[in-house]
Amino acid sequence: DGGITQSPKYLFRKEGQNVTLSCEQNLNHDAMYWYRQDPGQGLRLIYYSQIVNDFQKGDIAEGYSVSREKKESFPLTVTSAQKNPTAFYLCASSNRGLAGAHEDTQYFGPGTRLTVL
Amino acid sequence: ILNVEQSPQSLHVQEGDSTNFTCSFPSSNFYALHWYRWETAKSPEALFVMTLNGDEKKKGRISATLNTKEGYSYLYIKGSQPEDSATYLCASDNYGQNFVFGPGTRLSVLP
Repeated sequence: DGGITQSPKYLFRKEGQNVTLSCEQNLNHDAMYWYRQDPGQGLRLIYYSQIVNDFQKGDIAEGYSVSREKKESFPLTVTSAQKNPTAFYLCASSNRGLAGAHEDTQYFGPGTRLTVL
Repeated sequence: ILNVEQSPQSLHVQEGDSTNFTCSFPSSNFYALHWYRWETAKSPEALFVMTLNGDEKKKGRISATLNTKEGYSYLYIKGSQPEDSATYLCASDNYGQNFVFGPGTRLSVLP
């Protein structure tokens, strides 16, 4: 089946530890995105990548890091510098890439809920 | 950061009722408006991508309209069913910007 997988579904970490969230897609999409959801707010963009080996900061990148070594994979690391890391994290991908079209919507994974104790 | 608003925040309707909700988005440099349905414990699912002023799109009992001049889109559900219960998200896609999502409208359809 084509789609986006995120693991794990639930993640618990102690304060001060870095943690890496996995995102894999087999849709052959160029672009990938990480969002964060907090109660009562829209999805907020953390980082995005339009092509392998390149990524850009989104609106709330502080305390996070990413890599894009393979087209299929876009892991997100939540570092100890992130002041409020407990949240629901969604990964998405699209055909948008560097030559996007109006109709290029985003396809989402099932999300990871991170709780920092 | 552009602002996208959705109303109402939540609503409850009886099975069989028709309902609608609103997405307001910046009209300047408009590119596209995306609607998603997000059921609990599942991934958000794309419903519509709307690009032209006056666009109307339909998928089964769900339809959407678009007004790019005044910056709003309506989502309509005719004859709501319990399986329509979900959060409905809209996202504005403006030139030079990434998607900006609204906070969503949470719909509960009571049997």
